[in-house]
Amino acid sequence: GQNIDQPTEMTATEGAIVQINCTYQTSGFNGLFWYQQHAGEAPTFLSYNVLDGLEEKGRFSSFLSRSKGYSYLLLKELQMKDSASYLCAVRVISSGSARQLTFGSGTQLTVLP
Amino acid sequence: GAGVSQSPSNKVTEKGKDVELRCDPISGHTALYWYRQSLGQGLEFLIYFQGNSAPDKSGLPSDRFSAERTGGSVSTLTIQRTQQEDSAVYLCASSLGSWTGELFFGEGSRLTVL
Repeated sequence: GQNIDQPTEMTATEGAIVQINCTYQTSGFNGLFWYQQHAGEAPTFLSYNVLDGLEEKGRFSSFLSRSKGYSYLLLKELQMKDSASYLCAVRVISSGSARQLTFGSGTQLTVLP
Repeated sequence: GAGVSQSPSNKVTEKGKDVELRCDPISGHTALYWYRQSLGQGLEFLIYFQGNSAPDKSGLPSDRFSAERTGGSVSTLTIQRTQQEDSAVYLCASSLGSWTGELFFGEGSRLTVL
């Protein structure tokens, strides 16, 4: 099976930088994804890493180390609207070629003024 | 439509009744996923369809749960003899194919079992 760990809650101040960590243990690893979910809404895709290193996308960056089973999502210049749950998800290959995403429980980020 | 459409948006049922939840994915998307999310929890994988391949049913919690996808498009998730612990938001997502992890989620169907 898969085991994905991320902090339950984090708090940061508007304009600051916050790093949300995610560790995973899985077989058949085939990529790591970050999703954002505002309360009462569906998750939306943020970023994708399949190779080691940093992927930057505007105010959001995501890092992956496959050897360490570790990823982080970095949010810069925090805005109030960034208050949301951030879900780490691992793609695995199972049943031959079938691929599914397994999600962590999410990190609830609260941005304070 | 432009996005993933799910119905009903809300369903209240009595324990022991059967329910059907429908998902209409984005046109042209070959991969379709069902997840469920309990209050304050992460997403629990249920089932995954990819094209004409056999679905990955490894996440279905019991044999009361089943899903089908007709014509490679619309999917129906059926829960038989519902129990109170089945209460959750059932989310459907689609993607262009199995190679991409960019899933497009519907707004979900909130199921409440009394």
